[in-house]
Amino acid sequence: EAGVTQFPSHSVIEKGQTVTLRCDPISGHDNLYWYRRVMGKEIKFLLHFVKESKQDESGMPNNRFLAERTGGTYSTLKVQPAELEDSGVYFCASSQELAANTGELFFGEGSRLTVL
Amino acid sequence: AQTVTQSQPEMSVQEAETVTLSCTYDTSESDYYLFWYKQPPSRQMILVIRQEAYKQQNATENRFSVNFQKAAKSFSLKISDSQLGDAAMYFCAYGEETSGSRLTFGEGTQLTVNP
Repeated sequence: EAGVTQFPSHSVIEKGQTVTLRCDPISGHDNLYWYRRVMGKEIKFLLHFVKESKQDESGMPNNRFLAERTGGTYSTLKVQPAELEDSGVYFCASSQELAANTGELFFGEGSRLTVL
Repeated sequence: AQTVTQSQPEMSVQEAETVTLSCTYDTSESDYYLFWYKQPPSRQMILVIRQEAYKQQNATENRFSVNFQKAAKSFSLKISDSQLGDAAMYFCAYGEETSGSRLTFGEGTQLTVNP
């Protein structure tokens, strides 16, 4: 069974540019989450999809971030325009049940974003 | 807001020995879940062990066990008979049903296992 895959693994962009990160969850997982780890600090929740619907986007830092999950399959996270403080590792995770109940989150390897 | 604190940025252990990673959290809830995740170098993060707050018995998964002290809001991870493959970043995490989707993570502890 394929795991959660994320693309690209590393992206280096200039401040002001746009970057789109992609996540392919495990097939059949309705729940998809985006998390971010900045500067070696804690991993912070960004948002949660149930199928194609945004269930909780309370962690999105600002309107420069746009997440989509068209058709309830893969998801994209676009940062436009990117700022220096957006640098970090963006993790995607998926699960069959809600994360807080089972903790059985399946993570991707993360997409490292460097904004210069 | 719930917070999770891991006070040990780095830890090291000799192969075959035991190491304990610390985690404390802050919450006003009585029902919640606690987790330890492990991220090996260049690999996906995986769930190591899970504890429900309503259970008094400490969770155990083979060489991994927790010491859950609810009153003290402490949730440490003990790794027995450490192996080279245990070397990884370990994250403590908190979740509750009322915030169904969101896990709160600590800053992580980098564990080195010396041969």
